[in-house]
Amino acid sequence: QSALTQPASVSGSPGQSITISCTGTSSDVGAYDYVSWYQQHPGKAPKLMIYDVSYRPSGISNRFYGSKSGNTASLTISGLQVGDEADYHCSSYTSSGNWVFGGGTKLAVL
Amino acid sequence: QVQLQESGPGLVKPSETLSLSCTVSDYSISSNYYWAWMRQPPGKGLEWIGSSSHTGNTYYNPSLKSRVTIPVDTSRNQFSLKLNSVTAADTAVYYCARVCSTGRCLDYWGQGTLVTVFS
Repeated sequence: QSALTQPASVSGSPGQSITISCTGTSSDVGAYDYVSWYQQHPGKAPKLMIYDVSYRPSGISNRFYGSKSGNTASLTISGLQVGDEADYHCSSYTSSGNWVFGGGTKLAVL
Repeated sequence: QVQLQESGPGLVKPSETLSLSCTVSDYSISSNYYWAWMRQPPGKGLEWIGSSSHTGNTYYNPSLKSRVTIPVDTSRNQFSLKLNSVTAADTAVYYCARVCSTGRCLDYWGQGTLVTVFS
């Protein structure tokens, strides 16, 4: 199973909005609404930010918004804060009953 | 708050078996959840290794299936990862996590542990 495709890096200024894309295929991202997003600060464990494309776990700010169109899912972060600077990983359940991750995107808040 | 902590050797020799444990705190591993292992090679993205339940149901990444097992030990509230015939390509930070109740995400993660395959 090939990894999902994410941009290596994105950047934005405090207060701005950014969007991170996650492109898969009709066997994973396009097949189900089972995309999740994880935030990972350096040396820390990944943290679930979005599940089932657009749902936020309890305690996650509504500045984080997930969506999907066809084989591409997206994570939008509005009102960027310095603390949002981290790596972001997408993941999708697949038609084979497995999971696949993206390569990760490094977000810089300049 | 569910807590997970990985433990095990940080160095493994080529062709040997990598063995890690994940101790779960403040939650019973015998509950109706799956438990998973992921890894992240240096400078690369995450890779799902596999998932197991306390009833013995397992799902493994097809690319690793021939070399991996994920047993669950309810008496110790732990689950483990055993990956045999390791090579340098297995060098990575290994994470354990709990699978969400929906079965489609990972809601609690351990801090991760670096395993280096080195002769």
